[in-house]
Amino acid sequence: GQNIDQPTEMTATEGAIVQINCTYQTSGFNGLFWYQQHAGEAPTFLSYNVLDGLEEKGRFSSFLSRSKGYSYLLLKELQMKDSASYLCAVNRDDKIIFGKGTRLHILP
Amino acid sequence: GAGVSQSPRYKVAKRGQDVALRCDPISGHTALYWYRQSLGQGLEFLIYFQGNSAPDKSGLPSDRFFAERPEGSVSTLKIQRTQQEDSAVYLCASRTVNEQFFGPGTRLTVL
Repeated sequence: GQNIDQPTEMTATEGAIVQINCTYQTSGFNGLFWYQQHAGEAPTFLSYNVLDGLEEKGRFSSFLSRSKGYSYLLLKELQMKDSASYLCAVNRDDKIIFGKGTRLHILP
Repeated sequence: GAGVSQSPRYKVAKRGQDVALRCDPISGHTALYWYRQSLGQGLEFLIYFQGNSAPDKSGLPSDRFFAERPEGSVSTLKIQRTQQEDSAVYLCASRTVNEQFFGPGTRLTVL
């Protein structure tokens, strides 16, 4: 089976940095996805980590530690438009299972 | 437009009615996924296809749910004898090795 945990909600300030954690327990692991989902919209792809380490894409970075079953999404220079839910998803032999998501609130 | 498309975008059904939801994946994507999302909830895995076969159907909630992808491209999710608890947004996604892209979803409301 698999268990994916993320904080339910987080709050941060415009211009700041926030780190959203995701831990997982799974009997098989091929990679980990991060998505952004605005209210009423479909999820949009942010990143996919297969190997350990940090991958940077502009203001967003994603980190993976396979031995610890741990990932985080780092958002820098927060903007109001970053207010959304952030979904972590584990690829287990091509079956992709989502966590419940973290709702991020940005304060001006 | 080279993205994933779904139709209809909105569907209202009376309880007991059968519905069919369509997904057109990105051309060349061999993997296709169906999820559903109830209001304020996370994504619930339903089924995925590799080509025209479904290696894992474990997420289908009941035998009223059936999905097919006969030619390895377009997929249809069928729900028979709909119930109120089937009301949700049904999301389809297609995937390359390192990316997965979602369609806009079909919002199903069962009255």
